[in-house]
Amino acid sequence: AQKVTQAQTEISVVEKEDVTLDCVYETRDTTYYLFWYKQPPSGELVFLIRRNSFDEQNEISGRYSWNFQKSTSSFNFTITASQVVDSAVYFCALTGETSGSRLTFGEGTQLTVNP
Amino acid sequence: DSGVTQTPKHLITATGQRVTLRCSPRSGDLSVYWYQQSLDQGLQFLIQYYNGEERAKGNILERFSAQQFPDLHSELNLSSLELGDSALYFCASSPERVSYNEQFFGPGTRLTVL
Repeated sequence: AQKVTQAQTEISVVEKEDVTLDCVYETRDTTYYLFWYKQPPSGELVFLIRRNSFDEQNEISGRYSWNFQKSTSSFNFTITASQVVDSAVYFCALTGETSGSRLTFGEGTQLTVNP
Repeated sequence: DSGVTQTPKHLITATGQRVTLRCSPRSGDLSVYWYQQSLDQGLQFLIQYYNGEERAKGNILERFSAQQFPDLHSELNLSSLELGDSALYFCASSPERVSYNEQFFGPGTRLTVL
């Protein structure tokens, strides 16, 4: 079975601080895919990034960066110079060769960025 | 805007009732997925349809059923509703039968059972 753990239930920071959201996963698949989704207060799920198990290269997109480490089964997400608009619930998710297309989500981390 | 539409946006009903949630996937997408987001269970996969056929089943209750029609829209039917069924129900779509790419999520239907 697959499992995603986001141990941080809530994080509160002040604007312009950097913040890292942790994600630890469990899978027996050799080929698997990790995702981050953002759920703003309006409720929709917004795709942020997808990473496959063979690509451990870190990725940066503007103020967002992701650190994928297979050795620790982690896929952490860092927001640099956080802004109020970053306030949302962030979900890490996993799918793989034995789970078809179903996404297994973590519990989510509620990020609040205060002005 | 993901291109996935869901209706209604909000639904309030009573225990024991039956409701139908509707989803229209993105143009060209053949797969439709249903997810439930509740306080107790978090975000969990319910069921997937591909081109009209059931493809995969998750933690979907027997009181729940779904189908996908020839025009590819999908409906999720919830019957004998209980208080615990109150949740946000998402529909997502993707082009493929088995997709490891992004799933495009609709805005969700918030169901409240009183």
